Amino acid sequence: QAVLTQPASLSASPGASASLTCTLRSGINVGTYRIYWYQQKPGSPPQYLLRYKSDSDKQQGSGVPSRFSGSKDASANAGILLISGLQSEDEADYYCMIWHSSSWVFGGGTKLTVL
Amino acid sequence: EVQLVESGGGLVQPGGSLRLSCAASGFTFSSYEMNWVRQAPGKGLEWVSYISSSGSTIYYADSVKGRFTISRDNAKNSLYLQMNSLRAEDTAVYYCARDLGQQLPWGQGTLVTVSS
Repeated sequence: QAVLTQPASLSASPGASASLTCTLRSGINVGTYRIYWYQQKPGSPPQYLLRYKSDSDKQQGSGVPSRFSGSKDASANAGILLISGLQSEDEADYYCMIWHSSSWVFGGGTKLTVL
Repeated sequence: EVQLVESGGGLVQPGGSLRLSCAASGFTFSSYEMNWVRQAPGKGLEWVSYISSSGSTIYYADSVKGRFTISRDNAKNSLYLQMNSLRAEDTAVYYCARDLGQQLPWGQGTLVTVSS
């Protein structure tokens, strides 16, 4: 079982909100990790969005709109990237990441389609 | 301007070797930990290796351990990845990146293709 699991795809309408989940493998407690989120558009390297561990330990990337926010669902053992007021430019691949056992670990990525 | 420029990619046969380089400029290279991250065509991101700012601490993904070697030359502001015993599944764009836990720009990547 992968360390981080993300749904392969998600579709949402312009102006709506999208909740992208990043589920940690059983036995790895989401509460102890900073979850990082990256956005990648075709032909470009990934770009850092934000990190979230708790409301007191979070960081928004410079220039990243406040429409992007992080949170956790402890009951689901998951990190969440919430994008509100979706815009066409938000269509991209989104990756979560953690530092685990002396390794950076990426989720498989979610392709967000805004239509 | 901060820049990371990867080079050294290309076509190599299975079992062959390749050395990637990453030239850094616009920041104090010796102050930053560095990483290699790869992305197979149409696939997701995979972290490959980490090296601390001094080079004293190194980590590898299990998929490359024993075959790849990361190194750096702080005097030359350069990061390297020596790749041996290459396999088809190593085919990917290889990115160099500073501390992945910070908002720091990545390089544009260099394509490595392992094929006969």
